[in-house]
Amino acid sequence: QVQLQESGPGLVKPSETLSLTCTVSGGSINSYFWNWIRQPPGKGLEWIGYIYYNGNTNYNPSLKSRVSISVDTSKNQFSLELSSVTAADTAVYYCARHGTITNFDYWGQGSLVTVSS
Amino acid sequence: QSALTQPASVSGSPGQSITISCTGTSSDVGSYNLVSWYQQHPGKAPKLMIYEVNKRPSGVSNRFSGSKSGITASLTISGLQAEDEADYYCCVYAGSTIVVVFGGGTKLTVL
Repeated sequence: QVQLQESGPGLVKPSETLSLTCTVSGGSINSYFWNWIRQPPGKGLEWIGYIYYNGNTNYNPSLKSRVSISVDTSKNQFSLELSSVTAADTAVYYCARHGTITNFDYWGQGSLVTVSS
Repeated sequence: QSALTQPASVSGSPGQSITISCTGTSSDVGSYNLVSWYQQHPGKAPKLMIYEVNKRPSGVSNRFSGSKSGITASLTISGLQAEDEADYYCCVYAGSTIVVVFGGGTKLTVL
């Protein structure tokens, strides 16, 4: 059974960079597409972007200038960096897998990141 | 950016059927059979309930079904049960530029 687990700081200061890592277990990262999706408190879901195991990426145009997703196949992990954060970036951040796009079949439990000084 | 419209809330009594709509445009819902639906209970991660318009993942009850007509996709839940009370989100492929868009979500209340 594939499992995903997010990890990283729960508090980030405004203007700094948010960094999260997703560890994949129970399966290889060397196939499928690996996504980051976020949900501000009390609001809906927003797709951030994905990475393929070979390093190919695709990002939400509204976040593209601030987002970077990378992969470490040796550790079965992929990571998110979101720069110049503001309070509007406060959210639960989920990592998720898709085979065919929009079919997010496995999700992490989510990691709450608060942007505050 | 592409926007998908869902009703903010729907409700139904146990045993009844309800339908949640997801209206997009000719550039997303109307162009691709890549529509999925997610169920989210409070404090939990979303769960895939329907993919590629009308396909059910293994383990999902056949009380859940999906369809699409033109620029509107729909999720129907038949034989409502208390455990169906949750938020539901549609998700569509919107082409190579915008890529993935989620609807605003619908809160289902089982009366």
